Amino acid sequence: EAGVTQFPSHSVIEKGQTVTLRCDPISGHDNLYWYRRVMGKEIKFLLHFVKESKQDESGMPNNRFLAERTGGTYSTLKVQPAELEDSGVYFCASSAGRGSYEQYFGPGTRLTVT
Amino acid sequence: GNSVTQMEGPVTLSEEAFLTINCTYTATGYPSLFWYVQYPGEGLQLLLKATKADDKGSNKGFEATYRKETTSFHLEKGSVQVSDSAVYFCALSKTTDSWGKLQFGAGTQVVVTP
Repeated sequence: EAGVTQFPSHSVIEKGQTVTLRCDPISGHDNLYWYRRVMGKEIKFLLHFVKESKQDESGMPNNRFLAERTGGTYSTLKVQPAELEDSGVYFCASSAGRGSYEQYFGPGTRLTVT
Repeated sequence: GNSVTQMEGPVTLSEEAFLTINCTYTATGYPSLFWYVQYPGEGLQLLLKATKADDKGSNKGFEATYRKETTSFHLEKGSVQVSDSAVYFCALSKTTDSWGKLQFGAGTQVVVTP
């Protein structure tokens, strides 16, 4: 069974540019989460999809971030325009059903904004 | 609000030494508690969990006990190996939030030398 995959693994962009991160969850997992770790600090929750619907987007920092999950499969997280403080590692995780505590994480995308 | 505090790293120790990583939390109600581990170049993996007070989670020689009276979930291993070198994250999930959103500590890097 394939795990959670993320693309790209690294991205370096200039301030003001746009970047789109992609996450492919484990097949059949309804729950998809995005998290971010900035500058070696704690990993912070960004948002949560159940299938194609946003269940909780309370962690999204501002309206420069847009997440989608087309057809309840893969998800994208777009940052437009990117700012220096957006640099960090973006993790995606998926889990099976409601109340399922084990989240399976991808390797993360390291985003550097210069 | 909820928060997780864990000891800062890096923690450097020799092979076969005893490892303790302290983790304390602040939360309303009775959260579930987790330890995740991130090996170099990989995503986070669930190491162990405990869902109620006095539960002990264990895996791969690691143990942690859910201590409600001290709001702690310290991670221990009696004899570490070089392969245990990784970043360890303590996390909680509110039981009233059945969607499983995780709140993490800042992570503790552990370096085990031969």
